[in-house]
Amino acid sequence: NAGVMQNPRHLVRRRGQEARLRCSPMKGHSHVYWYRQLPEEGLKFMVYLQKENIIDESGMPKERFSAEFPKEGPSILRIQQVVRGDSAAYFCASSPIGTDTQYFGPGTRLTVL
Amino acid sequence: EDKVVQSPLSLVVHEGDTVTLNCSYEVTNFRSLLWYKQEKKAPTFLFMLTSSGIEKKSGRLSSILDKKELFSILNITATQTGDSAVYLCAVALGGGSEKLVFGKGTKLTVNP
Repeated sequence: NAGVMQNPRHLVRRRGQEARLRCSPMKGHSHVYWYRQLPEEGLKFMVYLQKENIIDESGMPKERFSAEFPKEGPSILRIQQVVRGDSAAYFCASSPIGTDTQYFGPGTRLTVL
Repeated sequence: EDKVVQSPLSLVVHEGDTVTLNCSYEVTNFRSLLWYKQEKKAPTFLFMLTSSGIEKKSGRLSSILDKKELFSILNITATQTGDSAVYLCAVALGGGSEKLVFGKGTKLTVNP
């Protein structure tokens, strides 16, 4: 059973460009979460999705950030018009129904030049 | 605001030592507490605790939760260099959110 897959593992963007981060949950998991980790900081919750639904986006910045988890395909975290402050590691996690245990992917390290 | 605080922030020990990592929390809707180990990649799951006073054990690692005093500890006995990592404590919230609130982690370095 493959774990949570994320790609790309490293992404470099210039200010003003768009960043698209992908996450494929573990097989059988229907819940997807995105977290951001800044240097020397803990993981911060961004958004929680189920298939075709955003359940909790209380941690998402109000502008430029969006997330989706379509019926088919991976979950996407999209950052428009990136700024240097968006540079961070973005982790995706998934869980099956009925448990609090979330399993994490290897992360995407975004660098904004 | 929901808060999880870990201590110490960093710790350096020698192989064979026993370490205790601490995690305290203040949250509005506690459901469970989880421990993860993070090396240079994905946090890997160690334990999930929901009930006070029941120790969970896996090899040299063990953990316990005190819901009255709002803290948990993670013990590692006979440490090895492979235990070097950042150990993350997280609280799972109820009330429909299901998000994890993380502490900043404890960086453990085990020297040979």
